[in-house]
Amino acid sequence: GAVVSQHPSRVICKSGTSVKIECRSLDFQATTMFWYRQFPKKSLMLMATSNEGSKATYEQGVEKDKFLINHASLTLSTLTVTSAHPEDSSFYICSARDWSSGGASYNEQFFGPGTRLTVL
Amino acid sequence: SQQGEEDPQALSIQEGENATMNCSYKTSINNLQWYRQNSGRGLVHLILIRSNEREKHSGRLRVTLDTSKKSSSLLITASRAADTASYFCATAPGGGADGLTFGKGTHLIIQP
Repeated sequence: GAVVSQHPSRVICKSGTSVKIECRSLDFQATTMFWYRQFPKKSLMLMATSNEGSKATYEQGVEKDKFLINHASLTLSTLTVTSAHPEDSSFYICSARDWSSGGASYNEQFFGPGTRLTVL
Repeated sequence: SQQGEEDPQALSIQEGENATMNCSYKTSINNLQWYRQNSGRGLVHLILIRSNEREKHSGRLRVTLDTSKKSSSLLITASRAADTASYFCATAPGGGADGLTFGKGTHLIIQP
């Protein structure tokens, strides 16, 4: 089956530093990946759509200069939280769609295990 | 923005009983999906139902979709302790290039 990995699984950093989170599709190519964030006991919120070879599309209210997304290859997207602050502490989850799994109307996404970011 | 609303927000039942969770959404959709999330972990895809389908089964799972009411239900039959998790519905308004909009989730506890 389609597997998506994330690295690191947990990261603790000091306020003001930048943190990079990697999302990889291990056994399929993903032209599109998605980044979500989840606060404790809350649901997932779509942050941005990461497109291979082009700029990411950000959801309303998500600062593109704060959350830098790079999708340099068909199997890797990175999310960099710049100048992190305690309010950025959250669970960040990526997902990828395996386009070989169906037609354009099929939208099953495979999720990574998530990255727990704690900013002190 | 969150458009899915699950109810109940929390559900506690005895092992062996059936669990029913409901989800409502606001906009038109291409499909609706249900996911499970164990505490502090990633999401596991359970089942997808397309907008032109009314009911779908997968093992102990049964999903219904009523597009006229913009609602869906997830039924887990013969619940097990391992079913304890949070369950989310997620909708996709358009085609495969869209991110998902998640509901608030139902936290299900199966008591042995």
